[in-house]
Amino acid sequence: GAVVSQHPSWVICKSGTSVKIECRSLDFQATTMFWYRQFPKQSLMLMATSNEGSKATYEQGVEKDKFLINHASLTLSTLTVTSAHPEDSSFYICSAHPGFPYGYTFGSGTRLTVV
Amino acid sequence: QKEVEQNSGPLSVPEGAIASLNCTYSDRGSQSFFWYRQYSGKSPELIMFIYSNGDKEDGRFTAQLNKASQYVSLLIRDSQPSDSATYLCAVRKDTGTASKLTFGTGTRLQVTL
Repeated sequence: GAVVSQHPSWVICKSGTSVKIECRSLDFQATTMFWYRQFPKQSLMLMATSNEGSKATYEQGVEKDKFLINHASLTLSTLTVTSAHPEDSSFYICSAHPGFPYGYTFGSGTRLTVV
Repeated sequence: QKEVEQNSGPLSVPEGAIASLNCTYSDRGSQSFFWYRQYSGKSPELIMFIYSNGDKEDGRFTAQLNKASQYVSLLIRDSQPSDSATYLCAVRKDTGTASKLTFGTGTRLQVTL
């Protein structure tokens, strides 16, 4: 149990286009999901906390209009990178907590390359 | 001062030895502590978590927590080459599944043959 599925695993897009990343909790309901970004050889940086049925909470310095988060159901959260630029190229990972006795579970990540 | 600090390494240990990974945190009110393993290019995998002072063992792994010293460690016994990875320490300030984690920068472990 406690599986988080993330798609796609990798995506290449042209500069200026938008990319949507999906994160699903497969065997539990997640009222909250977390979106991280990780640049090479750096640690995970929390971008935003996604809340089912309400607005996401963004960390300081993260552009809300650029990184659109939608958490429309208890099992699905999406992150849309709008008007992507090469500097948005990174590893994006989602996470959720199924509750005790599990810890925070991570999706497999999405490697975004903007060309 | 960083919220969660780890030595970046690399920490090199021979196969079969004990690897000791350390983490300190700044917020004395932190409630729970997590250790993750991350292989290059992959997402983090949970090793174990600990809430109470003392030791918690799970197979070859032992987490140790000392809240008075604001210190948490992970011991890996009988280290294997497959343990070579980056180990991330994460701290949660509040209780509940909606509470976010704060990660350290990770310690890279190399287990040599």
